[in-house]
Amino acid sequence: AQSVTQLDSQVPVFEEAPVELRCNYSSSVSVYLFWYVQYPNQGLQLLLKYLSGSTLVESINGFEAEFNKSQTSFHLRKPSVHISDTAEYFCAVTRISSGSARQLTFGSGTQLTVLP
Amino acid sequence: NAGVTQTPKFQVLKTGQSMTLQCAQDMNHNSMYWYRQDPGMGLRLIYYSASEGTTDKGEVPNGYNVSRLNKREFSLRLESAAPSQTSVYFCASSDRTGAVGYTFGSGTRLTVV
Repeated sequence: AQSVTQLDSQVPVFEEAPVELRCNYSSSVSVYLFWYVQYPNQGLQLLLKYLSGSTLVESINGFEAEFNKSQTSFHLRKPSVHISDTAEYFCAVTRISSGSARQLTFGSGTQLTVLP
Repeated sequence: NAGVTQTPKFQVLKTGQSMTLQCAQDMNHNSMYWYRQDPGMGLRLIYYSASEGTTDKGEVPNGYNVSRLNKREFSLRLESAAPSQTSVYFCASSDRTGAVGYTFGSGTRLTVV
């Protein structure tokens, strides 16, 4: 079975500062990796994903994440955050070799709060 | 708009009452899922359906039942609600490959008193 650890439950940061949200995973087989974002009182939205190829993946709103196989990490970064980035962020993993249902295993979430 | 639709959005139940949460997707996805979200615990899988006609238990199935009514619809039933089932419930769907990730509904906030 796979597992996901998000090392920080809360990350406060000032507007326009850089931020890194940490994610480590454990799996005995190859995985797909995802970051989801949840704004207050909403469902989860896919932010970015790593499937294969380049280890650096980017989202349309300036976030990026780097897959590091040796460290089993998939940290999320943004060089300059905005107030509107305030949300909860979830790292998730699914085994590539799993059956026809792609069960995602989620981390416990990181609440990013951007301060003015 | 294409997506996953959940009903109701809010519900208050008394202990022992039953209810069904409805979920429908219009993306022609094969797989559907029910998760619950509790503070500090992320999302935990309750049940899933790999394809029409099949359902399987997830991490926390006790106290729940599901029905995959057709390819579009996947319902979650609480037969006798308990306060421990107070949570936010999310339905999601995905294609067979998993490469596109999940599409989530907007959630049902359930309180059991």
